[in-house]
Amino acid sequence: EAGVAQSPRYKIIEKRQSVAFWCNPISGHATLYWYQQILGQGPKLLIQFQNNGVVDDSQLPKDRFSAERLKGVDSTLKIQPAKLEDSAVYLCASISTTDPLWGEQFFGPGTRLTVL
Amino acid sequence: DAKTTQPNSMESNEEEPVHLPCNHSTISGTDYIHWYRQLPSQGPEYVIHGLTSNVNNRMASLAIAEDRKSSTLILHRATLRDAAVYYCILNSMKTSYDKVIFGPGTSLSVIP
Repeated sequence: EAGVAQSPRYKIIEKRQSVAFWCNPISGHATLYWYQQILGQGPKLLIQFQNNGVVDDSQLPKDRFSAERLKGVDSTLKIQPAKLEDSAVYLCASISTTDPLWGEQFFGPGTRLTVL
Repeated sequence: DAKTTQPNSMESNEEEPVHLPCNHSTISGTDYIHWYRQLPSQGPEYVIHGLTSNVNNRMASLAIAEDRKSSTLILHRATLRDAAVYYCILNSMKTSYDKVIFGPGTSLSVIP
């Protein structure tokens, strides 16, 4: 079974530039999450999708962050414009609520963003 | 704030058992206890989860206190590959990771 794919793996940009991250969850997983992980901290949930609808985006800084999940499969997370404090690893995870191990999130490798 | 508290770091000798504690005094009746670990430069990976009874799988065992206010992840024989940050989180059966909060976790070092 293929895992959660993310790209790019690394990105370096200057502040005020824009950046986009892509995530392809495990096939058949209806629920998708984006997390932000700042160095030395645990992952922080930014947004949760159920199919192509947003379930929770209460911690997403909506003035600069946006996310979409077209057709309920792939998802993109965008930052526009980026700030220095956005430097972090952005993790995508998916979950299958029909799996007997309901509750297990599968994480991708993450995209490490550095804002200069 | 995270609903769980864990020690910042722990050390273990290789091939010895490791007991990683987690306190969750405000746990509700619908909260599962989940453990994940994160190896360097990787995304977190699922380890184990439970509700009330102790659980075993190929990776680890989870011991849950009778009052459910604490739990312990047990690695039976630590290997160098077990060096990672271990996260204990609560996940409500009702909301599927909605409002889940990861704390800083416990950084486990394994000494050869």
